[in-house]
Amino acid sequence: DVKVTQSSRYLVKRTGEKVFLECVQDMDHENMFWYRQDPGLGLRLIYFSYDVKMKEKGDIPEGYSVSREKKERFSLILESASTNQTSMYLCASSSTDTDTQYFGPGTRLTVL
Amino acid sequence: GQNIDQPTEMTATEGAIVQINCTYQTSGFNGLFWYQQHAGEAPTFLSYNVLDGLEEKGRFSSFLSRSKGYSYLLLKELQMKDSASYLCAVRDLYAGKSTFGDGTTLTVKP
Repeated sequence: DVKVTQSSRYLVKRTGEKVFLECVQDMDHENMFWYRQDPGLGLRLIYFSYDVKMKEKGDIPEGYSVSREKKERFSLILESASTNQTSMYLCASSSTDTDTQYFGPGTRLTVL
Repeated sequence: GQNIDQPTEMTATEGAIVQINCTYQTSGFNGLFWYQQHAGEAPTFLSYNVLDGLEEKGRFSSFLSRSKGYSYLLLKELQMKDSASYLCAVRDLYAGKSTFGDGTTLTVKP
């Protein structure tokens, strides 16, 4: 079974703090993704990566950055957290063959 | 880009059949996924269609018409545990990503 894990299920941070969300997958997938999910807005792609050290902007990259130093790990960074970044953050991975995405359990981030 | 439309909410009765529609307009199509997401949980893969026609998998079936930009997910013999959000996602032709619809929240009532 594919397993995608995320570093925290719940996180509370203050405005202006730097926040790191980590995601690890164990299936040697090439592609990894970060989404945020908000009520009424669906899943929105923040960044994705199709290889180590490669990254592509998604639909809403502003205020975020990412890092992929190893194939299994994809980190999302909020340089200076703001209250409008309060959301559910979902990480996913997929192989290039099928593009079927496997999701982590999500991190519910609250920025106060 | 991709434009994907699904109904926001649907309600059905336990034991019945429900059809969730998805229409899309795309600049590059390479297949369509359906995912299920229970409240508070992550989405999980249900089905994938790349050719026209019906794919059956137990109580769930998925249909695709590429010429019409249309898909549906058919759920038979509904159970209470089928209450969830169902996400339609179009696989991008050129990049290893998919664009998700906003999801259809299905409520199954006794």
